[in-house]
Amino acid sequence: QKEVEQNSGPLSVPEGAIASLNCTYSDRGSQSFFWYRQYSGKSPELIMFIYSNGDKEDGRFTAQLNKASQYVSLLIRDSQPSDSATYLCASIGSSNTGKLIFGQGTTLQVKP
Amino acid sequence: DAGVTQSPTHLIKTRGQQVTLRCSPKSGHDTVSWYQQALGQGPQFIFQYYEEEERQRGNFPDRFSGHQFPNYSSELNVNALLLGDSALYLCASSLGWFNQPQHFGDGTRLSIL
Repeated sequence: QKEVEQNSGPLSVPEGAIASLNCTYSDRGSQSFFWYRQYSGKSPELIMFIYSNGDKEDGRFTAQLNKASQYVSLLIRDSQPSDSATYLCASIGSSNTGKLIFGQGTTLQVKP
Repeated sequence: DAGVTQSPTHLIKTRGQQVTLRCSPKSGHDTVSWYQQALGQGPQFIFQYYEEEERQRGNFPDRFSGHQFPNYSSELNVNALLLGDSALYLCASSLGWFNQPQHFGDGTRLSIL
């Protein structure tokens, strides 16, 4: 079992729709969770982080964390073609070493 | 506010050679982590430096080594290059190492022939 798992996609949504990206993790003691956006050929860009159960909103982005279900999600409202990218979910495990553990990423395609 | 800077952008080497990659952290950050990203995969943790010491290491052989300087900048050295070392090498910086968000540089694309 991988420590952080994502559906590789591609996830295709029409412009203006809500894109929902999901991530599960195996280390129940994980405390910190991060979402990165990576355009093709570029480096990951931090877009959201969440530490507590519940929702955290920043503009069009909402991160959701459910520690009981070991589940993290990222919602993108009013999706734009410029949101088309690979979204990487990452966690810092229970050892709190500062080491980011990444999923393989979900490719999002927003169609005009 | 300068972000994380890495050099060089691209590098081509042959098997058996050695390479040094460089990273300057974001202004105000004191911790540097290095990751290797193969095509189509998420980044894999190599090691992390804080206070000029390697404080955490991932599952990479000793051919991978690093250093952090007093100004917090860092180097990644890879000896005896293998074809499988071809990847995007990413440097990330953070303020402290405990549960802190990490910000990535643009990376160095290393190709081994």
